[in-house]
Amino acid sequence: QKEVEQNSGPLSVPEGAIASLNCTYSDRGSQSFFWYRQYSGKSPELIMSIYSNGDKEDGRFTAQLNKASQYVSLLIRDSQPSDSATYLCAVSSQAGTALIFGKGTTLSVSS
Amino acid sequence: DAGITQSPRHKVTETGTPVTLRCHQTENHRYMYWYRQDPGHGLRLIHYSYGVKDTDKGEVSDGYSVSRSKTEDFLLTLESATSSQTSVYFCAPAFPTNEKLFFGSGTQLSVL
Repeated sequence: QKEVEQNSGPLSVPEGAIASLNCTYSDRGSQSFFWYRQYSGKSPELIMSIYSNGDKEDGRFTAQLNKASQYVSLLIRDSQPSDSATYLCAVSSQAGTALIFGKGTTLSVSS
Repeated sequence: DAGITQSPRHKVTETGTPVTLRCHQTENHRYMYWYRQDPGHGLRLIHYSYGVKDTDKGEVSDGYSVSRSKTEDFLLTLESATSSQTSVYFCAPAFPTNEKLFFGSGTQLSVL
C-alpha cells in the first residue's frame, strides 16, 4: 500500500512567522506532488504543484521536493491568520491513476 | 468551483437504502474521481473514470458503484447504505492531466 505521511499537528505559529509543513511518501516512482489547503467545512483547494527536485515559489508559498529522500515540504512565509487551515500533501501513484493523499497537517496562525 | 456541481449537498438516509450522488461538470474533463473524507483517514479514492463508460476501482470501492454515460456526469451509487458509509464525498475532475484534481463542494452523507 502506497503511503503519504504528514504530521497531524496542530502546528501553531505566530502571525508573521514561517510555517513549515512536511510530507514523506513511499512510492519511489511518484513523479508529481501537490499541496492542497482545506478550510474547515470546505473542499480542498490546490495551492502548489511541483514536479522536479528543488524549490518552487509562488507568492508567500514555497514548495520543496527531494525525490532521493522522498520528501516534500511547504513553507509559508509571513503567515497570516487566514492561513489557518488543514494542508494536504498529495502524491501521484507510479501507475498514474490517481493521487494519494496524506491525512493532513492542521496549521493555526495566531495574531 | 471550476464548473463542478455536486448534488445533493446534504443527505440523511437509512441503513439498507440505495443512494446516488451526482457530480456534474461543464468543462469537458476526461478524468473524474470520487473520494471520501473521514476523520483519521483523510481522503481515500473510491472510484475513478477516464472516459465515458470507462471506470475503475480505487482503494475503498466495496459497497460502491459508479456510472458515466455522459462526459459531464459521474454518478456514485451506494447499493445498500451502511453506517460506515457516513462520510463527506468529494467529486474531483482532473485537468490538464489526470493528476491535478479540482474538488467539488462535497456531499455530506449521514446513514442512520
